[in-house]
Amino acid sequence: DQQVKQNSPSLSVQEGRISILNCDYTNSMFDYFLWYKKYPAEGPTFLISISSIKDKNEDGRFTVFLNKSAKHLSLHIVPSQPGDSAVYFCALRKGGSEKLVFGKGTKLTVNP
Amino acid sequence: NAGVTQTPKFRVLKTGQSMTLLCAQDMNHEYMYWYRQDPGMGLRLIHYSVGEGTTAKGEVPDGYNVSRLKKQNFLLGLESAAPSQTSVYFCASATQGGQPQHFGDGTRLSIL
Repeated sequence: DQQVKQNSPSLSVQEGRISILNCDYTNSMFDYFLWYKKYPAEGPTFLISISSIKDKNEDGRFTVFLNKSAKHLSLHIVPSQPGDSAVYFCALRKGGSEKLVFGKGTKLTVNP
Repeated sequence: NAGVTQTPKFRVLKTGQSMTLLCAQDMNHEYMYWYRQDPGMGLRLIHYSVGEGTTAKGEVPDGYNVSRLKKQNFLLGLESAAPSQTSVYFCASATQGGQPQHFGDGTRLSIL
């Protein structure tokens, strides 16, 4: 039973436009939400996070939105750049847990 | 600044052979994790450790053993390799449980 779902395996956008990556979850016990980016042949790198007490967190071109009532998390990248082409994973933590639960990832391609 | 280093980067084994994957971190992190990544499956937690001398099971622990004799090292062992263990293995570390994890670049393991 998947607790964390990234329903779009892939996404293609034009350079300069907005990229929106989505993540849905089923368990309301999750209280901390992270996004990771992964290039081929490298490990995932932490991008941005948000706690359940907020609904938005911004870091440069990256903004994460949290809709707790809908159990929905999204990552906005604007403007998108070709170097943003990577696989993006959402990762969630249940309150008090030592572990993260990862989604299956969305492959973003930003076309020049 | 090495961060998290995984050894080896690639390995091919025959069914039934054993091997140990080494993870070393130089950030003085308490928490360490082993994941496997399979196509379309995201990252799945195998085992983790909350400090030197401790280990705990993750989501997919069967067929693997781990040891954390030193704080900076986390070893993942396969006693009798099976083709189903063909995967990319990632090690990660964190200051606290559930916080952003720092990943190594992975070990690509093929079992014939």
